[in-house]
Amino acid sequence: AQSVTQLDSHVSVSEGTPVLLRCNYSSSYSPSLFWYVQHPNKGLQLLLKYTSAATLVKGINGFEAEFKKSETSFHLTKPSAHMSDAAEYFCVVSGAGGYNKLIFGAGTRLAVHP
Amino acid sequence: EAQVTQNPRYLITVTGKKLTVTCSQNMNHEYMSWYRQDPGLGLRQIYYSMNVEVTDKGDVPEGYKVSRKEKRNFPLILESPSPNQTSLYFCASSPQGVRDSPLHFGNGTRLTVT
Repeated sequence: AQSVTQLDSHVSVSEGTPVLLRCNYSSSYSPSLFWYVQHPNKGLQLLLKYTSAATLVKGINGFEAEFKKSETSFHLTKPSAHMSDAAEYFCVVSGAGGYNKLIFGAGTRLAVHP
Repeated sequence: EAQVTQNPRYLITVTGKKLTVTCSQNMNHEYMSWYRQDPGLGLRQIYYSMNVEVTDKGDVPEGYKVSRKEKRNFPLILESPSPNQTSLYFCASSPQGVRDSPLHFGNGTRLTVT
């Protein structure tokens, strides 16, 4: 069965410092993996996706994630945090239903301090 | 503008009073889905639809109904709401399935059942 674990429920960084949001997954086949971001009072927006092409995936707003099959990880990073990055981030894996089902992690709330 | 529109944004109701949350997309997407978001649980899928007149259960379908009579609309119906259905609900759509295509989300409906 597919599952996804976000290792931190809250992450706090200072503006201008690196961001690391950790995600581990389990899947019985080659998964598709996504990161979505949710700003307050908004729906989720796709940041980036991995679908078995390059293992280093670049997304919007300077975020990137690296697919590491040996570690079953898909951590999200950004070199320098901006105040506007404060939001909740969800790691998502395609589920057993393949084309119809996604499994969402519990979310990581990112706070960015001046 | 391409968008998924949910209404209402906020809804307070009483136990047992039937309600409908509407969802409409203007992108001619085949796939539509409903999720509920609860703290610490991420998003869980309620129902999804691959096309007109084709719907299927997600992970938490109990107490909900959906219909897909037209491609653009996918209403969520609570025949007899209960307090455990108090949650934040999101409608989302995708061109075809979710394995490789991103989901486009509405801005959410916050439902309170007393």
